[in-house]
Amino acid sequence: DADVTQTPRNRITKTGKRIMLECSQTKGHDRMYWYRQDPGLGLRLIYYSFDVKDINKGEISDGYSVSRQAQAKFSLSLESAIPNQTALYFCATSDSLASFGDTQYFGPGTRLTVL
Amino acid sequence: GDSVTQMEGPVTLSEEAFLTINCTYTATGYPSLFWYVQYPGEGLQLLLKATKADDKGSNKGFEATYRKETTSFHLEKGSVQVSDSAVYFCALSDPPSDKLIFGTGTRLQVFP
Repeated sequence: DADVTQTPRNRITKTGKRIMLECSQTKGHDRMYWYRQDPGLGLRLIYYSFDVKDINKGEISDGYSVSRQAQAKFSLSLESAIPNQTALYFCATSDSLASFGDTQYFGPGTRLTVL
Repeated sequence: GDSVTQMEGPVTLSEEAFLTINCTYTATGYPSLFWYVQYPGEGLQLLLKATKADDKGSNKGFEATYRKETTSFHLEKGSVQVSDSAVYFCALSDPPSDKLIFGTGTRLQVFP
């Protein structure tokens, strides 16, 4: 079984709809991250969380919100989706207590299309 | 702020050719440096990393050396295979948050 899972894997929605992307991990890591990938732009950080009570904005947080329901779960919401939020979204985790805690482990991604 | 610049692709090679993908970085502190690989339809996987100057990361025949004097972390492989076709991302970590800052990615296509 995968250590970092994302649901759904693919989603097509319409402008103005509320969307939630979910991420779960079984690695026991304390830190979780949400990125979006756009062609030619690499990955950009949306939000990150050091633990359940510590959530921080990343580079491109406008239009997004997150919830850390438990150490193992980190959800990303688009309150009112717009077409330029069409992208591939990745969740990642890392372990701050590891010898080199900056290594991140990625989920398989969610492809979101906003029409 | 910190940033990563990597060569644009696609890089197209024949099987068994030598590969170099250039990566340079700008950082105010002492970041760790990474290469991640994304195979078609999959998420990113850590390929190799280096945590301090002159360290060499290596994995699956790929190598990269952390060069502080040239702020570079170029990826090399002596003999590529068709199965190496993927998108390769150079990245640095930004302590103490461990946020990763990525380059734009380089697509490698290897033909038989």
